[in-house]
Amino acid sequence: EVLLLESGGGLVQPGGSLRLSCAASGFTFSSYAMSWVRQAPGKGLQWVSALSDSGHYTYYTDSVRGRFTISRDNSKNTVYLQMNSLRAEDTAVYYCARRLTTDGGPFDYWGQGRLVTVSS
Amino acid sequence: VMTQSPATLSVSPGERATLSCRASQTVKSNLAWYQQKPGQAPRLLIYGVSTRATGIPARFSGSGSGTEFTLTISSLQSEDFAVYYCQQYNNWPLTFGGGTKVEIK
Repeated sequence: EVLLLESGGGLVQPGGSLRLSCAASGFTFSSYAMSWVRQAPGKGLQWVSALSDSGHYTYYTDSVRGRFTISRDNSKNTVYLQMNSLRAEDTAVYYCARRLTTDGGPFDYWGQGRLVTVSS
Repeated sequence: VMTQSPATLSVSPGERATLSCRASQTVKSNLAWYQQKPGQAPRLLIYGVSTRATGIPARFSGSGSGTEFTLTISSLQSEDFAVYYCQQYNNWPLTFGGGTKVEIK
């Protein structure tokens, strides 16, 4: 069974930093691209960042580029999202998600989500 | 940009629901649909415009091409009342539509 379990998150002040982790199991983690998707309270889904299966290629939505860093450790079956210079508008539930195919595709499995609240 | 319509769709159980999604530029066949219920993560329903994901009932179907896409639920069941999102994965950044809420009429 494919499982994605996020950890981290919580309350942080504006300008602060936080790291989310997503531990994967039930599949060959190193063969799949991964992503982070967020959802602000009461709002729709927004893709945040993506990472290739090897970790060599990274992609970001404009609003987080330069502040967020996605990475992975294939030996630990874990993907990370380091979030710096956090803003109130980054407040959201953050989901990690697996992409369907090794070179991309839609998101076929999702974690349960972690709430990040940026507030003073 | 992905634009979904309508924002809210009121349908009676057993009726057909038709949801629309329009892309501002071609996404070829790289279009997916997701279902999300309150407090839950999204679930992949359809990808490649019309391919049902594993375990998705046949009452869900997708169609379209290029920039105009449709999700059809042939006979709404109680468990289908939820928010539905389309998503393109052809171009960076990956983008979702704003969602269509399917509610009980």
